[in-house]
Amino acid sequence: DTAVSQTPKYLVTQMGNDKSIKCEQNLGHDTMYWYKQDSKKFLKIMFSYNNKELIINETVPNRFSPKSPDKAHLNLHINSLELGDSAVYFCASSQDGSYLAKQFFGPGTRLTVL
Amino acid sequence: GENVEQHPSTLSVQEGDSAVIKCTYSDSASNYFPWYKQELGKRPQLIIDIRSNVGEKKDQRIAVTLNKTAKHFSLHITETQPEDSAVYFCAATLSGYSTLTFGKGTMLLVSP
Repeated sequence: DTAVSQTPKYLVTQMGNDKSIKCEQNLGHDTMYWYKQDSKKFLKIMFSYNNKELIINETVPNRFSPKSPDKAHLNLHINSLELGDSAVYFCASSQDGSYLAKQFFGPGTRLTVL
Repeated sequence: GENVEQHPSTLSVQEGDSAVIKCTYSDSASNYFPWYKQELGKRPQLIIDIRSNVGEKKDQRIAVTLNKTAKHFSLHITETQPEDSAVYFCAATLSGYSTLTFGKGTMLLVSP
């Protein structure tokens, strides 16, 4: 009965590699998000998708490419990984993209770039 | 864009005491203010939220107050318990299609 799920939970890789993180929600929500939480616990929005369409891109390097095959899934692909990409990445979803919509977070993916 | 400041960064209390975490925001147009709790190694979870047309909201031992004039809002936890130990984040968002801007978090430690 998991609401928002992510895979993998942990990801350890070398600099320069390309990796993907997957996210799925079974809440029937229209809007999904990717957040990055750095080592100091700061949570920052990266992307927001509403019904498969990109609505927010918060000046994230173009090495990061989100893809939404349908409104229940939002994947994050990262090219040419750098040390500074090491963080916990959280997917979230909300009923819609309105400012009052409560956001529900996935369990996070801890990415470590060596 | 919106900027949210959160204080203190760490807060240690004894079980049974009250805890207060304060946030200020920069954009007077912000009108929704949720609070999230993140236990160690877990996901952030929404614990309470408040809209700009409400001054105070309470849910059992937690309450949130909002002062729109001063552009600050606070989380109050009464009768703290060890399981309240976590990092708490405040956030703010504007009308329309918008995203949450988070404060930097407060680590609350409740000692038995």
